[in-house]
Amino acid sequence: ETGVTQTPRHLVMGMTNKKSLKCEQHLGHNAMYWYKQSAKKPLELMFVYSLEERVENNSVPSRFSPECPNSSHLFLHLHTLQPEDSALYLCASSQEGRGGGEQFFGPGTRLTVL
Amino acid sequence: AQTVTQSQPEMSVQEAETVTLSCTYDTSESNYYLFWYKQPPSRQMILVIRQEAYKQQNATENRFSVNFQKAAKSFSLKISDSQLGDTAMYFCAFDVAGGTSYGKLTFGQGTILTVHP
Repeated sequence: ETGVTQTPRHLVMGMTNKKSLKCEQHLGHNAMYWYKQSAKKPLELMFVYSLEERVENNSVPSRFSPECPNSSHLFLHLHTLQPEDSALYLCASSQEGRGGGEQFFGPGTRLTVL
Repeated sequence: AQTVTQSQPEMSVQEAETVTLSCTYDTSESNYYLFWYKQPPSRQMILVIRQEAYKQQNATENRFSVNFQKAAKSFSLKISDSQLGDTAMYFCAFDVAGGTSYGKLTFGQGTILTVHP
């Protein structure tokens, strides 16, 4: 595997389910990000981790819970989601997590909440 | 807080022609970066071009160039000799410079570009 990978690519879940999204970067980067991409809306930054510490929680509801066990892996744990949470969730990584660095994106997980 | 606005939801261009995508932004920061990212259909988003605000010279990457107007807070992308593979959604993005930024990008709404044969 190269670059940034995400699993699963598609996920359908009920409002009472608990599921997790996984992201892995194979680039040796120190910063990782979760974004939400909804139709006809700008990408929304959700969480930022730099050197495995969370440095940004962009007013995201607590039903989304991130986890970064090491610099290569990032998870997004989901529970009791709402239909409006249906979106494409993108993971990204960058070399040093500082301003101006290029971010490398994964293919995304298409989430549908019924 | 920063805002980024892309006023063209969709654009189309004939193959081999030139097209310009618009982006305006608002910020009180003096040093920052601007980006154009490309998201092809069902494929991963990739960086097209990056501009540092303190550099007066417009960035260029092969067929892609920007027109950076700092005073007007405008950052347009010009694609020359358009190719079918340029069909994608294009996002303009803003990032504050400096180590405490952590790369927290602010994105515009995106412009869907279709290149016709």
